[in-house]
Amino acid sequence: AQSVSQHNHHVILSEAASLELGCNYSYGGTVNLFWYVQYPGQHLQLLLKYFSGDPLVKGIKGFEAEFIKSKFSFNLRKPSVQWSDTAEYFCAVNTGGFKTIFGAGTRLFVKA
Amino acid sequence: GAGVSQSPRYKVAKRGQDVALRCDPISGHVSLFWYQQALGQGPEFLTYFQNEAQLDKSGLPSDRFFAERPEGSVSTLKIQRTQQEDSAVYLCASSLVSALNTEAFFGQGTRLTVV
Repeated sequence: AQSVSQHNHHVILSEAASLELGCNYSYGGTVNLFWYVQYPGQHLQLLLKYFSGDPLVKGIKGFEAEFIKSKFSFNLRKPSVQWSDTAEYFCAVNTGGFKTIFGAGTRLFVKA
Repeated sequence: GAGVSQSPRYKVAKRGQDVALRCDPISGHVSLFWYQQALGQGPEFLTYFQNEAQLDKSGLPSDRFFAERPEGSVSTLKIQRTQQEDSAVYLCASSLVSALNTEAFFGQGTRLTVV
């Protein structure tokens, strides 16, 4: 069965530190990839997405993600985090049907 | 409204009760999704509507779960004879078109607790 694995459930960083959240998926075919973010008390919202083309995708708020097909990975990065980035981050994969599969999420806490 | 609206925000049900959860998608959005999010987990797909047609219900965990969208706008997720394992946040999302590469907008969810 297709699955999405997020390696870290909780991450604590200080402001200005660099961030990388891991995401791996299990599916050998064409995929559409997403990162969603959920700020405290708010709904899930799209951070960035990859469908085709340049494997390095830029999203909102300075986030980016790189699709590495050979590693089945889609890691999320940000060079310098801010306190306002404290949130839960979800990686998600769609393999062509209506179902999008989400990872279990990574809770990021940024210390001011 | 400006976003996807779900009601109620919180629901406590006694085991065995039936519940109905409502989703108001963004006006004009063709696609509507329901997800179930258990504590500490990511959202899990339940079902998908394109307008009023339910095109995928493969994620519904049992025949106690039923969803409808009769006029292609508001949707209701009904759970009959609730069980404790049904306790979760139920999320609704909508998108403008049916293409998979369009952004889905999520509501804030309904937190269901079965006691």
